[in-house]
Amino acid sequence: VTLLEQNPRWRLVPRGQAVNLRCILKNSQYPWMSWYQQDLQKQLQWLFTLRSPGDKEVKSLPGADYLATRVTDTELRLQVANMSQGRTLYCTCRGDWGVYAEQFFGPGTRLTVL
Amino acid sequence: GEQVEQRPPHLSVREGDSAVITCTYTDPNSYYFFWYKQEPGASLQLLMKVFSSTEINEGQGFTVLLNKKDKRLSLNLTAAHPGDSAAYFCAVSSLANYGNEKITFGAGTKLTIKP
Repeated sequence: VTLLEQNPRWRLVPRGQAVNLRCILKNSQYPWMSWYQQDLQKQLQWLFTLRSPGDKEVKSLPGADYLATRVTDTELRLQVANMSQGRTLYCTCRGDWGVYAEQFFGPGTRLTVL
Repeated sequence: GEQVEQRPPHLSVREGDSAVITCTYTDPNSYYFFWYKQEPGASLQLLMKVFSSTEINEGQGFTVLLNKKDKRLSLNLTAAHPGDSAAYFCAVSSLANYGNEKITFGAGTKLTIKP
């Protein structure tokens, strides 16, 4: 059963242009949603964890600027700007406790800089 | 904050041999531990989770050992086969605020199974 949908699945991004990503949660038992980036060397880095609709955070990392928004209980968004190197963005979901503590990854969105 | 060191970064074994990947962590409050598998071009797939202080979990063709005293987590693949070729990541979650834990990942191990 697919817990997360991400779109787009890939995108060519002209240098200097921002791109908007969406993640849709399919199971409300895993309400903690996060964004991770994986660089071209396969290094994983946590970006954000947003629990409630209206939560919003920004972060600047080497190679990209991020703005994450929890839009609804089932939708998480990420705006990626000023990207200088390609990367893959993964949306994840996790439950509160116990048997739901494990974290599941979405299929990912692969971004390539033109 | 939590630091997770994963070794080795690359591992090549022959088909039928065993392979061991190890992670050490620093936060004594770490409580949940996970192993993920990432096949080329794919997302991360949860392989196994362990919670107890010292635990051995067995899956299909692999064993996970957690030693909280030594702060060490290991993944042991027995009788490796070509389908095991992938990147493997350990992940450690500390027992912080209810639900809002940051999960720290190891740097990954690229495992190659040679025929």
